Amino acid sequence: LAKTTQPISMDSYEGQEVNITCSHNNIATNDYITWYQQFPSQGPRFIIQGYKTKVTNEVASLFIPADRKSSTLSLPRVSLSDTAVYYCLVEGNTGFQKLVFGTGTRLLVSP
Amino acid sequence: EAGVTQFPSHSVIEKGQTVTLRCDPISGHDNLYWYRRVMGKEIKFLLHFVKESKQDESGMPNNRFLAERTGGTYSTLKVQPAELEDSGVYFCASSLFALTGAGNTEAFFGQGTRLTVV
Repeated sequence: LAKTTQPISMDSYEGQEVNITCSHNNIATNDYITWYQQFPSQGPRFIIQGYKTKVTNEVASLFIPADRKSSTLSLPRVSLSDTAVYYCLVEGNTGFQKLVFGTGTRLLVSP
Repeated sequence: EAGVTQFPSHSVIEKGQTVTLRCDPISGHDNLYWYRRVMGKEIKFLLHFVKESKQDESGMPNNRFLAERTGGTYSTLKVQPAELEDSGVYFCASSLFALTGAGNTEAFFGQGTRLTVV
């Protein structure tokens, strides 16, 4: 399983764009990159997943460079409600995988 | 559509007592997972059911923990006897497909059960 490294915490203000970078130097060819979000007193929630290049959905964008050794979750124009912990996970695409959570990045959005 | 439901939301028990946590997955989800986060640590995998069968229980800490999923619907996680180090938040998750990559990796988590052993 590829180990991931993320910033422990980040601070931002409402309306700003937030980019959280995750390092996964040992990512395998078949691994996918997935991000989860967790609000206080709730379980993690799936945000986005990608393999390479760029993926965008209604919540975020995920940028993955060609070497795939890192990925960046981009949250456009954050609001107070985006305050949460964001986890970067790397999962294989064969067999039964289990989500491996690291420490995550605690994002605090202030007015 | 109802999400993953866990009961109770919070439980406080004394060391040596027994506690049973319940998880109701999303209807139709064959895959059910238990995770937990103990104080100051990361969220850790406990086990994975496919329907009523235990697919992977490599994360179960010891034989004081017993998980069941009779009939392949809801699941229970029993801790007997509870120890102080069992305190933490226990999450249940379910998924329609097994968590492999290529677009089949969305697991839906419940709100968790906070277990406090005193």
